Amino acid sequence: DTAVSQTPKYLVTQMGNDKSIKCEQNLGHDTMYWYKQDSKKFLKIMFSYNNKELIINETVPNRFSPKSPDKAHLNLHINSLELGDSAVYFCASSLLAGAARGQETQYFGPGTRLLVL
Amino acid sequence: AQTVTQSQPEMSVQEAETVTLSCTYDTSESDYYLFWYKQPPSRQMILVIRQEAYKQQNATENRFSVNFQKAAKSFSLKISDSQLGDAAMYFCAYRETGANNLFFGTGTRLTVIP
Repeated sequence: DTAVSQTPKYLVTQMGNDKSIKCEQNLGHDTMYWYKQDSKKFLKIMFSYNNKELIINETVPNRFSPKSPDKAHLNLHINSLELGDSAVYFCASSLLAGAARGQETQYFGPGTRLLVL
Repeated sequence: AQTVTQSQPEMSVQEAETVTLSCTYDTSESDYYLFWYKQPPSRQMILVIRQEAYKQQNATENRFSVNFQKAAKSFSLKISDSQLGDAAMYFCAYRETGANNLFFGTGTRLTVIP
């Protein structure tokens, strides 16, 4: 069974379009994350949600809007896509920091490669 | 802000040999976690090993072990008996206990030579 899944795996779209990436985890975690990996492979956190509430919001354009319908899902919607948004986007999940010592490892989805033309 | 530094952009190792990947980090905290993640060409981020800063004993997972030097803020990964399947990008990561943010290094690309 897939622990953290993302759809789609690949997304090719035109500049200016709006797109969404979906993420689901079946690990029973209460905290989910979105990371962006740029062309130089650098990974940086974008957002984190705990029980459907935003707890981390790094400096990300407001064209990016995460949505968490329940604690097992965290979707990422991107409006007015730009060339610079091309990257690999990773979803991850974990228990909330401090919830259970030693159980806070983040587990990652397979990534979504977004290419904006 | 916490920073994680991987000073080796690329490393190579002969199959069956041992290789060590370096990682240093900067923090003023005393309680934190350190991780090594592997990213093969499939792009999947796979947890290799983790270390809790309050534990003095170095973590080991089969052929993977770490050398955790807390005073030096160093966290290197040793891969023994390297296999072709070990070829990947390896990322060192830091997380403060009680915080949710995971800080990554810039990665080391490991090539395994048959």
